[in-house]
Amino acid sequence: AQSVTQPDIHITVSEGASLELRCNYSYGATPYLFWYVQSPGQGLQLLLKYFSGDTLVQGIKGFEAEFKRSQSSFNLRKPSVHWSDAAEYFCAATYGGATNKLIFGTGTLLAVQP
Amino acid sequence: SAVISQKPSRDICQRGTSLTIQCQVDSQVTMMFWYRQQPGQSLTLIATANQGSEATYESGFVIDKFPISRPNLTFSTLTVSNMSPEDSSIYLCSVEEALVKETQYFGPGTRLLVL
Repeated sequence: AQSVTQPDIHITVSEGASLELRCNYSYGATPYLFWYVQSPGQGLQLLLKYFSGDTLVQGIKGFEAEFKRSQSSFNLRKPSVHWSDAAEYFCAATYGGATNKLIFGTGTLLAVQP
Repeated sequence: SAVISQKPSRDICQRGTSLTIQCQVDSQVTMMFWYRQQPGQSLTLIATANQGSEATYESGFVIDKFPISRPNLTFSTLTVSNMSPEDSSIYLCSVEEALVKETQYFGPGTRLLVL
């Protein structure tokens, strides 16, 4: 079955440090890939997406992600984390079909230390 | 992107009762979806709300438990019927716009607690 895996349940980084959140999608046809962020008590906000083309995509809030077909990965990065980045991050994919169903990873909870 | 609102934003309900959640979009959209996020869990698609026809449900979700309506291109409702504590979750609607295909934008969610 198609799936999305986020290996890290919880990550803590210091403010100003760099960040990388991992995401792997199940092998097969390349899906459309997304990163969403959910702040406490909020809905989901789209950070960025990858459909095709340039494998390094830029998003909002200074985030970027790199698609690596050989590793079935779509890792999210930020060079310098701010305290306001503390939130839960979800990687998601659609594999096409009639419903455009989004398949979500289990999420990574990011804590930012002062 | 479209502005999505949901009502209510949160509710506390007694078991055995039903709650209807509304999702309103400020522009016409092609697709509307309903997701469930159980406590500490990721999101799971409940169904695709089809305008003018019956919703398309994912495996494990049935119309009797989660009836959905979509009378027009900007509005949908999800009813959680005969609730039990296991239905305590965040329910989110999402939309796909005609001009931004293959991309879903989410509403703020409805936080439901069933006692």
